[in-house]
Amino acid sequence: EAAVTQSPRNKVAVTGGKVTLSCNQTNNHNNMYWYRQDTGHGLRLIHYSYGAGSTEKGDIPDGYKASRPSQENFSLILELATPSQTSVYFCASGEGQGSNSDYTFGSGTRLLVI
Amino acid sequence: AQKVTQTQTSISVVEKTTVTMDCVYETRDSSYFLFWYKQTASGEIVFLIRQDSYKKKNATVGHYSLNFQKPKSSIGLIITATQIEDSAVYFCAMRDMSNYNVLYFGSGTKLTVEP
Repeated sequence: EAAVTQSPRNKVAVTGGKVTLSCNQTNNHNNMYWYRQDTGHGLRLIHYSYGAGSTEKGDIPDGYKASRPSQENFSLILELATPSQTSVYFCASGEGQGSNSDYTFGSGTRLLVI
Repeated sequence: AQKVTQTQTSISVVEKTTVTMDCVYETRDSSYFLFWYKQTASGEIVFLIRQDSYKKKNATVGHYSLNFQKPKSSIGLIITATQIEDSAVYFCAMRDMSNYNVLYFGSGTKLTVEP
């Protein structure tokens, strides 16, 4: 069954440390997305990718980098984690430009930066 | 960029009644897609229903239906015969067709269905 898998499910990081959140999809979708969810804000777009080797900035990219080394994998990197990046992060995949299908979401990663 | 607004932070209803959740959007596109997603207590986000802007008929899936009012830029979600398991957070979203199908989400409405 096609799916989006995120790892880790939970992460505690130290301020100033490097954090990598991973996402793997078996949907063969071209597009992948990283969102963060905070109370009162819904889901906000951090970075996205339209294919292997591409990354694009979303609405709140500051403090985050992304990497898409293959069709299946899309990582979110916090080079210097800060407490304000404590949140729940969701990865999603979707078909390419012009598609009218919906996203498939991962189960989320809960990150606590102390 | 698109903007999606959900003003209802939380709603509480009694089981088996009908509830409507509001959503308004902003876009310059002449054709667009609108979505509703449900986030369960476990955190899982699942697709519920979609409305294509060029379709006049309101979408319906099971006991979910949409009230699409294009002149008002409004897309309400209607849940009939609510069940306890409908308790969740509901997100409205709009697709940006010119930007790799990015979805822009509202802030969500928490629905509590009580016995």
